[in-house]
Amino acid sequence: NAGVTQTPKFQVLKTGQSMTLQCAQDMNHNSMYWYRQDPGMGLRLIYYSASEGTTDKGEVPNGYNVSRLNKREFSLRLESAAPSQTSVYFCASSPQRLAGAVYEQYFGPGTRLTVT
Amino acid sequence: KNEVEQSPQNLTAQEGEFITINCSYSVGISALHWLQQHPGGGIVSLFMLSSGKKKHGRLIATINIQEKHSSLHITASHPRDSAVYICAPQGGSEKLVFGKGTKLTVNP
Repeated sequence: NAGVTQTPKFQVLKTGQSMTLQCAQDMNHNSMYWYRQDPGMGLRLIYYSASEGTTDKGEVPNGYNVSRLNKREFSLRLESAAPSQTSVYFCASSPQRLAGAVYEQYFGPGTRLTVT
Repeated sequence: KNEVEQSPQNLTAQEGEFITINCSYSVGISALHWLQQHPGGGIVSLFMLSSGKKKHGRLIATINIQEKHSSLHITASHPRDSAVYICAPQGGSEKLVFGKGTKLTVNP
């Protein structure tokens, strides 16, 4: 199993350009997440998907859109990149939380994005 | 006030020392996660606990729900333990709230 994979690993964009970060998991997990990590701050949730076809905003959703087209894949799109979106982006997945049960999250390797 | 406070922010130890990293949180939780972020950036889950204590090799995690406090201990520390350790309480939903992390450096 590859676990959680992300592409690309690195990306440099100019202000105003758009791009999509791809994430896929092969663990048959229902829940998937997109986080950003900035120096001196903890990981922050951008968007979350509890199942195929559903998405919810997290703590910092502005400037991003997501798409959960199938169970495996959860993409993050920057429509018009800004320097404030320079960050490391992590995708994660977990089995969906059932009543009384809690599961760990599995993280992808991250995408380092620089917006100039 | 941050919902999750970790201490210390940075920790340098000599190989073989006993390490303790602390985490205090203000939210009600269903579980608390401890994560390790390697110098290369990858993040792995170390522990998930909702009460008591868990042990995995040289790592021990404890939690006191009443005091809203958790600790991560490393016995006989080794340079390969050098990493950032992140505490992440989980509330009623599936969402985690992350601490800023504790950077541990273990010198040979």
